[in-house]
Parts: sequence; C-alpha cells; structure tokens
Amino acid sequence: EPEVTQTPSHQVTQMGQEVILRCVPISNHLYFYWYRQILGQKVEFLVSFYNNEISEKSEIFDDQFSVERPDGSNFTLKIRSTKLEDSAMYFCASSGGGGRQPQHFGDGTRLSIL
Amino acid sequence: GESVGLHLPTLSVQEGDNSIINCAYSNSASDYFIWYKQESGKGPQFIIDIRSNMDKRQGQRVTVLLNKTVKHLSLQIAATQPGDSAVYFCVMIYNQGGKLIFGQGTELSVKP
Repeated sequence: EPEVTQTPSHQVTQMGQEVILRCVPISNHLYFYWYRQILGQKVEFLVSFYNNEISEKSEIFDDQFSVERPDGSNFTLKIRSTKLEDSAMYFCASSGGGGRQPQHFGDGTRLSIL
Repeated sequence: GESVGLHLPTLSVQEGDNSIINCAYSNSASDYFIWYKQESGKGPQFIIDIRSNMDKRQGQRVTVLLNKTVKHLSLQIAATQPGDSAVYFCVMIYNQGGKLIFGQGTELSVKP
C-alpha cells in the first residue's frame, strides 16, 4: 500500500538554526499538508498546499515557516530560525481530494531544539 | 472557533469486548468526519470516515455512528484486540481545502 514517507525521523538542531523537514507524499495525491504535535498535546494544522501554492495556513505558520515542492515527488517544510517552542513532532500528510478524501500521514519527524 | 472533543481521555477494555469511543463537535456545518488511530511513535492512521448525509458506516470490525442532531460521533470496535491499543482521534474536516481539526484523543488500552 502506498505511504507517505518522512525524513529524518529525528532532527536535533541548535536554536536559531535553519531546519528542513522532508516528505514524499503518495505519488498520485495533489493536496499536501503539514501538522505538528507538541508532546502531550493534540495534532495542530500548520499549512495546506495545492497546485504549487499555499491554500491555507494557521497562526502558527508565521514568516519563519515556508513550504516548497521542489520537484514532482518531495514536499518540504523549512523553519528559518528555530525557537525552543518549535520542538514537536511534525507530520506530513497528503490527500487525493482536498476536503473530500481522507489524508494519509507519514510517521513524522521529531524536531528537538536545543 | 471550531472544535472536536472526546468524552474520555482513556478507555480500558478487556480483550474480546466491544469498545465505544465518543466524540462531540461544535460546528453543525461540518460535513465530513474521520477517525484516526495513532500508535506510539507513528503518525495518525486512517480508520474510517463518514459524511454528513449518512448516519452509520461500517468497516472491518469498526462502525462509525453520526448523530447530527446532537453533534455527536462514535467509533465502535468489535471484538477488541491488543493491536487496537492506541490513541484514537475524532477529526473534523474544516473546509474544502481539507484542514483537519483534531480532538485531544482517547487512549484505548486492551487488557489480555
């Protein structure tokens, strides 16, 4: 069964450094998403991406965050200058039909900011 | 804002029994709901979905019930197995773009 893959599984970064989280969505999907989950809290929406542009973003997704689909298979989340509070699990998801079909999630990248 | 909430943060059942996980949502305009399962160290895994034009939908060992009148959703798992132990999330699709609104989750523990 096709799946969403994320790399790395764990990223440790010094505060203030840039970090790029990578995702390979399911190949025929057109809608892409990033979510995060701070330890012990619920999963929070960050951003949705369709047709090579951001469809929607949350308040969390400020100017320090950006997303990109650099080629036909990868979808990346960049945090320009990381803060301690960015420490969380980051999940990538993809869907074949936006709000009409379920999203399929990767197993996440654990981001630890020191 | 929009929200979904589960009634119990934890649920413990005996192996072989049926499990029922409940959820309430706030937005009566929501028309698509999904149940996800999250095992430790993994991402949310799709279990079953239901649209607002349905009251009930069945999958393999799982049934979702939707009561739009009281804005309540439930997930029933038949003959619960140890492999069903996980955190279960009731999730609402917020808009056509697909933004998911997660609740806090119910942690299901299955006792052998």
